[in-house]
Amino acid sequence: EAGVAQSPRYKIIEKRQSVAFWCNPISGHATLYWYQQILGQGPKLLIQFQNNGVVDDSQLPKDRFSAERLKGVDSTLKIQPAKLEDSAVYLCASTQGQGVIGGYTFGSGTRLTVV
Amino acid sequence: AQTVTQSQPEMSVQEAETVTLSCTYDTSESDYYLFWYKQPPSRQMILVIRQEAYKQQNATENRFSVNFQKAAKSFSLKISDSQLGDAAMYFCAPGSSNTGKLIFGQGTTLQVKP
Repeated sequence: EAGVAQSPRYKIIEKRQSVAFWCNPISGHATLYWYQQILGQGPKLLIQFQNNGVVDDSQLPKDRFSAERLKGVDSTLKIQPAKLEDSAVYLCASTQGQGVIGGYTFGSGTRLTVV
Repeated sequence: AQTVTQSQPEMSVQEAETVTLSCTYDTSESDYYLFWYKQPPSRQMILVIRQEAYKQQNATENRFSVNFQKAAKSFSLKISDSQLGDAAMYFCAPGSSNTGKLIFGQGTTLQVKP
């Protein structure tokens, strides 16, 4: 089966600009996650979707970050305006149900550099 | 709330030898799973091994095994016959069966010396 697809692979922007990341989960996977991984740290959950609904966005900085999954398939994460501290790898993951029984399948991530 | 502690930022092992990576966690969940993920420089997070918290038997996957001590909330990873391809960052991650969320530790960077 095809894996979790993410694009772009790399992105460099200036602070205060906007940026968007795209994720296409494994076909049939209802739950989609976005994680932020700052260099040298573990991933931190930003938002969890179940189909096209938000399950948990408590860690999402809503003043600048937004995410959507309109048709319950692919998802977009946006940052506007970007700050220097947003430099990180943004990982997308998916699971078939809401449980973690089989673990997540991750995409290769998008490395964002804000200058 | 769940917290995860990986107390070894970096570890080094000689090729073909055995190394153990430590992890302790704290959780209020009664039903959960535990995972070890590997992240090479390519950034792809790869599932190494999983453990059901309700099982006493330690999980094993080829050269990888865990030592799960539920009462102590400890979940260490043992890599036997280390290979150069094992060099990566390793993350311990407990996951809630209720919410489906994984919480990651800070990671341990493993270096394998030829």
